[in-house]
Amino acid sequence: DTEVTQTPKHLVMGMTNKKSLKCEQHMGHRAMYWYKQKAKKPPELMFVYSYEKLSINESVPSRFSPECPNSSLLNLHLHALQPEDSALYLCASSQVLGRDSYEQYFGPGTRLTVT
Amino acid sequence: QQQVKQSPQSLIVQKGGISIINCAYENTAFDYFPWYQQFPGKGPALLIAIRPDVSEKKEGRFTISFNKSAKQFSLHIMDSQPGDSATYFCAASKRVGNQFYFGTGTSLTVIP
Repeated sequence: DTEVTQTPKHLVMGMTNKKSLKCEQHMGHRAMYWYKQKAKKPPELMFVYSYEKLSINESVPSRFSPECPNSSLLNLHLHALQPEDSALYLCASSQVLGRDSYEQYFGPGTRLTVT
Repeated sequence: QQQVKQSPQSLIVQKGGISIINCAYENTAFDYFPWYQQFPGKGPALLIAIRPDVSEKKEGRFTISFNKSAKQFSLHIMDSQPGDSATYFCAASKRVGNQFYFGTGTSLTVIP
């Protein structure tokens, strides 16, 4: 099973709201990723967790706050977003690089609209 | 700085034809090169991947050709079908760092 699940599928939020995106995988992967993707662009890396610790933060504004409660779950907490944050938010997972298996699997994404 | 360069930006192919998408990289530390297929509104799906110790890998109608000396790799889709119409991204990663570097994407349209 190579499935990464994400909830919700769609989210509309106002600029003063607080919401969370959720991601789950049961492949035993110990690296989990958040990406942001705008239309017709490649995924843009936001955060990487390796063994449940934040290993990469690509200078993402503090209105995005990641959390990795355990090895299967990844959350992205959203607060005071701007309309330009509207995008497809993708979660992905892989083995920690350096091991034999590098495959990175993506979830279906959450389509976020900020009004 | 774009670590992986991808071309063409868009591609139109007749049904049954061969679709070819090219990528190039500079960092010789890259040692894993996947291709992803993405349909509108969906997440990227891993299609096929290659390591630099082989020059070609084939899975069904999809083939990766890899030229280590030229630092280039390409995706060939044989007998292209309308259902292959999607955006394709190449990517590269290093053995350490847990980071994948994506190309800019190619929008493929296969016309019946």
